[in-house]
Formats: sequence, C-alpha cells, structure tokens
Amino acid sequence: DIQMTQSPSSLSASVGDRVTITCQASQDISNYLNWYQQKPGKAPKLLIYDASNLETGVPSRFSGSGSGTDFTFTISSLQPEDIATYYCQQYDNLPRGFTFGPGTKVDIK
Amino acid sequence: QVQLVESGGGVVQPGGSLRLSCAASGFTFSSYGMHWVRQAPGKGLEWVAFIRYDGSNKYYADSVKGRFTISRDNSKNTLYLQMNSLRAEDTAVYYCAKDPRPYRVAAAGPLDYWGQGTLVTVSS
Repeated sequence: DIQMTQSPSSLSASVGDRVTITCQASQDISNYLNWYQQKPGKAPKLLIYDASNLETGVPSRFSGSGSGTDFTFTISSLQPEDIATYYCQQYDNLPRGFTFGPGTKVDIK
Repeated sequence: QVQLVESGGGVVQPGGSLRLSCAASGFTFSSYGMHWVRQAPGKGLEWVAFIRYDGSNKYYADSVKGRFTISRDNSKNTLYLQMNSLRAEDTAVYYCAKDPRPYRVAAAGPLDYWGQGTLVTVSS
C-alpha cells in the first residue's frame, strides 16, 4: 500500500506569511495527488486536484506543485480564514481506493 | 446546487449493525461514483468505500472489508453504507462524497462535494 507523510504536522504563522506544506508518497504516484482544507466541525473542501490544478472558486493564494513522490502545497499570503487542517490525498488510479496524509494544522501566530 | 445529506448515525453496541444513508440532489446521481470517508474523533481522514456510478463495482478499505457493504439506489438518489460487526474503532464521523468525473470506474480522483457527516459511536 502507498503511504503518505506530511510535514510539518502543525505550524503557526502570521497573517500575510507564505506557508508551505509538503507531502511525500512512499512510491511514485505521478500527479495523482489532491489537497483538502478542513475547518473545525466541517467537512473537508477540495482545494487542489491532480497536484497543481486549482478547484473552481478557490482563491488563487492557494497553489500546489510536484510529481512522482514529492509534492508541495502553498498559501502565498496567509489569511485568518485559512486556519484549518490541510490534508493531501493520493490515488494511484487503480480500482482499490486511496489514502490521505495525516494532516497539517495551520494556526495564526 | 449539489447537496449531500447523511443520516442514520447513532450509538450502537460492539457487534451491532447500523445503516447510513446519503441523500443526493443537484446533480445526476446515476452518473457519478460515490465514496464513504470517515474521521475518528480528533483524527485524520480514512477512505472507507467506493461504488461505481451504476453500482456494478465496489471497493473497500481493508479495515472494513467483509463487515461493511456500500450500495446505491439510483431511482432514489441515495447512497448507503451497511455496517455490521461494528467495533469501537469504527467510531467516527462518516461522510459521503462525490467523484467529480462522470462514469469513472475506479476508486480514484478527487472528491469535489462532501456531506456534513453523521456520527457513529460504537460503545457498550
């Protein structure tokens, strides 16, 4: 099975800061990597699909990059409403399902 | 607009059964694969099961295989999760979620719409 690691597990940053989260797969997953935002008590929300594509309606301060085993999620200018936990999710395009990373909790300093 | 509304959660004893439902609206339900994803209290997300748009293929996480059954009724725009032989570790919020690509046959891709979730507590 493909394992996903995320780092850091949590971070604290100031409003306006650039925030970067990394996600690493245990084997090559091409660009089969998505990013979600989850606010407390709410369902996850899709932000980035296929590593670098911004979901419709998502602010452009969010971006993603990478392929193979190493991926990066960036918030170019952190806003108070971005306080949430962020998850990566891989799918290897085989029928048997997918896995999420452990999550990165983002707070305001 | 797309809406997914889960129901059926509650408290059940270990070894018991529960059936969750997910009522879908705002899109052509019969054209899209659907997933169940769960989240234990204070923990991360865990994919549970997928069903193809026409119900002909189903895939499960190893942790629930043989105990949970995903199904759908396209005439009622409703997704189900039958959960048997429940264990304490099945305690979680269960979300249904939609595949954005119509007629996909594999449990792959992103999940573009999620329900609000329903809480299942397995406890004696």
